[in-house]
Amino acid sequence: QKEVEQDPGPLSVPEGAIVSLNCTYSNSAFQYFMWYRQYSRKGPELLMYTYSSGNKEDGRFTAQVDKSSKYISLFIRDSQPSDSATYLCAMSDVGGYNKLIFGAGTRLAVHP
Amino acid sequence: DGGITQSPKYLFRKEGQNVTLSCEQNLNHDAMYWYRQDPGQGLRLIYYSQIVNDFQKGDIAEGYSVSREKKESFPLTVTSAQKNPTAFYLCASRQGRDEKLFFGSGTQLSVL
Repeated sequence: QKEVEQDPGPLSVPEGAIVSLNCTYSNSAFQYFMWYRQYSRKGPELLMYTYSSGNKEDGRFTAQVDKSSKYISLFIRDSQPSDSATYLCAMSDVGGYNKLIFGAGTRLAVHP
Repeated sequence: DGGITQSPKYLFRKEGQNVTLSCEQNLNHDAMYWYRQDPGQGLRLIYYSQIVNDFQKGDIAEGYSVSREKKESFPLTVTSAQKNPTAFYLCASRQGRDEKLFFGSGTQLSVL
């Protein structure tokens, strides 16, 4: 079993839809959770960063962490065609700077 | 502009050949990383360096080598011992105890 599981998609939604992207994990020691967006053949860019449980909002993006269920989510409101990309979750435990574990990524397509 | 520069964008390797991927950063970050990305898989850590003249093996270091002679530079050599080198290679850096990674734009390596 992988430490981090992420549905690869593809996920296809119409413009304006609310998108929900999810990851599950097995290591209860994970404390730092990140979401990266990666356009085709580009490097990932950091979208959201959260520590421990709770929600964090940034514009149209909301990151949610449920440590009791070992489940994290990224919500995108009012999705745009420019949101079409692969979304990678990543996580680590305290002091695990060199042990960031990535999900395989979910490919999202937002069509006009 | 501060950032991480990877070159070349595309690289082709012949059988038995060693090739070197360049990574330069002007973010003044201490730690630098090399990841390999294959379709449908999460990023896998090849090597990392937390300080000049020191580096550590990651999860898939076999067939690769690195050097860290300058803070700004962390080149990766893919040796002939790496039998399946075709992948997208990503360089990243991090500052201090911050878990956030910043990525370059990647190098696609293919075998001729």
